[in-house]
Amino acid sequence: NAGVMQNPRHLVRRRGQEARLRCSPMKGHSHVYWYRQLPEEGLKFMVYLQKENIIDESGMPKERFSAEFPKEGPSILRIQQVVRGDSAAYFCASSPRGPNLAKNIQYFGAGTRLSVL
Amino acid sequence: DQQVKQNSPSLSVQEGRISILNCDYTNSMFDYFLWYKKYPAEGPTFLISISSIKDKNEDGRFTVFLNKSAKHLSLHIVPSQPGDSAVYFCAASEYGNKLVFGAGTILRVKS
Repeated sequence: NAGVMQNPRHLVRRRGQEARLRCSPMKGHSHVYWYRQLPEEGLKFMVYLQKENIIDESGMPKERFSAEFPKEGPSILRIQQVVRGDSAAYFCASSPRGPNLAKNIQYFGAGTRLSVL
Repeated sequence: DQQVKQNSPSLSVQEGRISILNCDYTNSMFDYFLWYKKYPAEGPTFLISISSIKDKNEDGRFTVFLNKSAKHLSLHIVPSQPGDSAVYFCAASEYGNKLVFGAGTILRVKS
C-alpha cells in the first residue's frame, strides 16, 4: 500500500455535518478510484476520476456525495449532511494507466473510517 | 445482484498445507481478475492477477487458476504460513475498469 495516502485515518462526524476525505495517489498515477466498504461486505465502487475529470460516477449516491481530483492537490470525496448509514470505511485506489490497458492494477490506501454519531 | 461471489466466509488451514480460496462470477464480460489480501485496519494489498486469455498465473507461493467456462477462479497458497492469515478478496473488471469485489474469505493459518 506504500504510496497511496489517505487522510484522515479516522473521522467522527455528527449527523448533518460534512465529511471531507482526502487521497493522494501514488507518484506517477493519474487515475483515482473511490470505494466504500460496509461492515461484513466487500468493497463497492463509487467513482473513478482522472485529473480534473470525473470519468465514471455510477456507484456514487446522487445526493450529498461529490468527488473531485483537481489539477493540483489530492482527490477529495465530500459527503454533505452525513447520516448514520454513511458510517463505513472509504478506500481510495490509484493506477498508473486507465482502462482498456493490460494489467491495470489498482493500489489501495489504508482507508478512512468514518463514524457518524 | 452479486456479480462476484466468495461463498466461503472463512477457511482454516494448518501451517505448511495448501490453502485454496474460491471465487465465482456471473458477468461474462469480465476479462481481468485480481486477488487482494487485507489485514484489519489496513487497505487491500494486491497479490496476483490473471487475464481472461490465460488459465493460470503463478507468483512464488501464490497461483491463480481461471476456468472461464465455469466462471470460476481460485487462489492456491502453498505452503501456507501464519502470516498469510488475513481476509482475501477476489475482484473482477471489464477492460481494466472499476473493480467488482466479492465479500471476502477470512483465512486462518494455524501453526
